[in-house]
Amino acid sequence: GENVEQHPSTLSVQEGDSAVIKCTYSDSASNYFPWYKQELGKRPQLIIDIRSNVGEKKDQRIAVTLNKTAKHFSLHITETQPEDSAVYFCAASRQLQGGSEKLVFGKGTKLTVNP
Amino acid sequence: DGGITQSPKYLFRKEGQNVTLSCEQNLNHDAMYWYRQDPGQGLRLIYYSQIVNDFQKGDIAEGYSVSREKKESFPLTVTSAQKNPTAFYLCASSSYPANYGYTFGSGTRLTVV
Repeated sequence: GENVEQHPSTLSVQEGDSAVIKCTYSDSASNYFPWYKQELGKRPQLIIDIRSNVGEKKDQRIAVTLNKTAKHFSLHITETQPEDSAVYFCAASRQLQGGSEKLVFGKGTKLTVNP
Repeated sequence: DGGITQSPKYLFRKEGQNVTLSCEQNLNHDAMYWYRQDPGQGLRLIYYSQIVNDFQKGDIAEGYSVSREKKESFPLTVTSAQKNPTAFYLCASSSYPANYGYTFGSGTRLTVV
C-alpha cells in the first residue's frame, strides 16, 4: 500500500531562519499532497496543498515543491516565527475502490522556532 | 469547530468497557474517517466511510467498530478487545473525491483508568 516517509522527525531553528521538511511517497497514482499544522492538543489544520500538475505553490512565507519523477515533495517555511512552532504532517492521496480517496500521512515533524 | 464536532473532549475508560466517541459534521461531506494519534506515530487510519451505510477497515481496525446510519454522523466504538486504547482520536471528513483535503474535528483524548 501507499507509504509516506517524512524527515526530519524534529527540527529546531532560530527565529528568522528557514525550515525545510521533506516527504517521499510510494504510490505513483497519488495526485494530491496536503500539509497540515498541528499545535499542541489541537486538531491538524490544512496550511497548503499541491496537486500533481503543479511543481511549486507559494502562500506568503510557506511554499511546497513537488517532484513527481522522484516521488518527493517538500515544505519550505521562510522567516520563521515562534508561532510556527508545531508538528507538521505531510500526506499523499490514495485512490479507494468506489472512486473517493484517502490520505496517507507521514509521521510528522516537530518544528521548534527559538526566539 | 469548523463544521465537524467531536465529543467528548476527554474520556476515561475502565478495563473491559466499551466506549463510543461521537463525530458529527454539517459540511455535507460524503466521506468520513477516524484516525488514531500516538506520540511519534503520526496519524493511523482506523475506519473510513465513503457513503451512508457503508464503511471499510483502515490500517488498525482491530478492537474498533463504527456505524454510518446518517450522512452527518460517524461514531466510533472502542471495544474491550482493543488492548491499548489510550490515544488521541481524530475524526475527519472530506468532499467526494477528497481532492480538497480533510477537515478535522478537535479530537477526543481517551485514557484507560
